[in-house]
Amino acid sequence: AQTVTQSQPEMSVQEAETVTLSCTYDTSESDYYLFWYKQPPSRQMILVIRQEAYKQQNATENRFSVNFQKAAKSFSLKISDSQLGDAAMYFCAYITQGGSEKLVFGKGTKLTVNP
Amino acid sequence: ETGVTQTPRHLVMGMTNKKSLKCEQHLGHNAMYWYKQSAKKPLELMFVYSLEERVENNSVPSRFSPECPNSSHLFLHLHTLQPEDSALYLCASSQVLQGREKLFFGSGTQLSVL
Repeated sequence: AQTVTQSQPEMSVQEAETVTLSCTYDTSESDYYLFWYKQPPSRQMILVIRQEAYKQQNATENRFSVNFQKAAKSFSLKISDSQLGDAAMYFCAYITQGGSEKLVFGKGTKLTVNP
Repeated sequence: ETGVTQTPRHLVMGMTNKKSLKCEQHLGHNAMYWYKQSAKKPLELMFVYSLEERVENNSVPSRFSPECPNSSHLFLHLHTLQPEDSALYLCASSQVLQGREKLFFGSGTQLSVL
């Protein structure tokens, strides 16, 4: 079974500092996508960043970057220069390529940004 | 605003009521999804409609009944629910065969079953 594990239920960071959220996953597939979604209090799930498994280069979106370790099945999210608006639940997710439309999510990490 | 609109935002219903959740997407996508988000649990995929056909029914109890009349609209009909069905119900859409892995979510309906 495909699973996604986020071992940190809660994290906090000071404004302007850097924080890393952890995610590991379990799959026997070789082609897949990994995602980080953000869910602010408005409840809308917003895609933060996406990584294709066949790409060795880590994805980057402005202040957000990932550390993708395929052999270790690890996909951590680094948020640099944290802002108050980054406070949210963050979900790691996974989907196979060419399979059914089933996005598998972790349980989430609640990030608090302290001013 | 991601182009996926869900109504109502909040719903309180008794166990004997019948209600419906509505989702509308304005993105021209051809796949739509219902997810259930319960406290301290991963999001659970309930139903997938691709090209207006149901392609996934993830062992969801029959008291939840989806309907997809066209590619822009998705409903979740609810009847004789249980208190454990209280959760946030999220709708999402994507474009099959073109970036289908990129889902756009609505803001959800927070359902409370009394």
